[in-house]
Amino acid sequence: GAGVSQSPSNKVTEKGKDVELRCDPISGHTALYWYRQRLGQGLEFLIYFQGNSAPDKSGLPSDRFSAERTGESVSTLTIQRTQQEDSAVYLCASSFSGNSNQPQHFGDGTRLSIL
Amino acid sequence: SQQGEEDPQALSIQEGENATMNCSYKTSINNLQWYRQNSGRGLVHLILIRSNEREKHSGRLRVTLDTSKKSSSLLITASRAADTASYFCAEGGSQGNLIFGKGTKLSVKP
Repeated sequence: GAGVSQSPSNKVTEKGKDVELRCDPISGHTALYWYRQRLGQGLEFLIYFQGNSAPDKSGLPSDRFSAERTGESVSTLTIQRTQQEDSAVYLCASSFSGNSNQPQHFGDGTRLSIL
Repeated sequence: SQQGEEDPQALSIQEGENATMNCSYKTSINNLQWYRQNSGRGLVHLILIRSNEREKHSGRLRVTLDTSKKSSSLLITASRAADTASYFCAEGGSQGNLIFGKGTKLSVKP
């Protein structure tokens, strides 16, 4: 079956522009996660959606970052007024339920470069 | 930061040797998970060990967990060049999200 799909795979933009990253989770997965991974580093949690509950936004680094999810499907992560420090790979994952005992399934990420 | 640590940061071995990676974590866990990441790709789930388990096997993988020391280890036996990747441990707590460590970069030379 189809895995987690992210688009675009690469995005290069100028400092100050807004960017929108998309994630299509595995069908039937109620939980969706966004992470940021700087070059050579581990994953930094950004935001977590579980079903119809209010999202856990505790990892968003600033108010320039926001994310939405339509029901239990597509999610978009928006970064406004991008800065060079936003350059990273943005990874999306989904899991069958929001229980931490479930493995997370990852997309291949969007590599964001801010010039 | 609540982020755990993997040790070593980088490991280079010959094909056929065993590779051991260690993870120290900080939170009270329900489980600990290990993931692999090939260059330029997303993470792939390898194995999950629950907090009441001490050891778990899956193929050439062996994971141990010591909750008293808040540490876990991942052993890959008879390594292959295809095992070259970064390996991450992740703490699963009472909330749904995982806390990932910084990873060990494994290089297996043919």
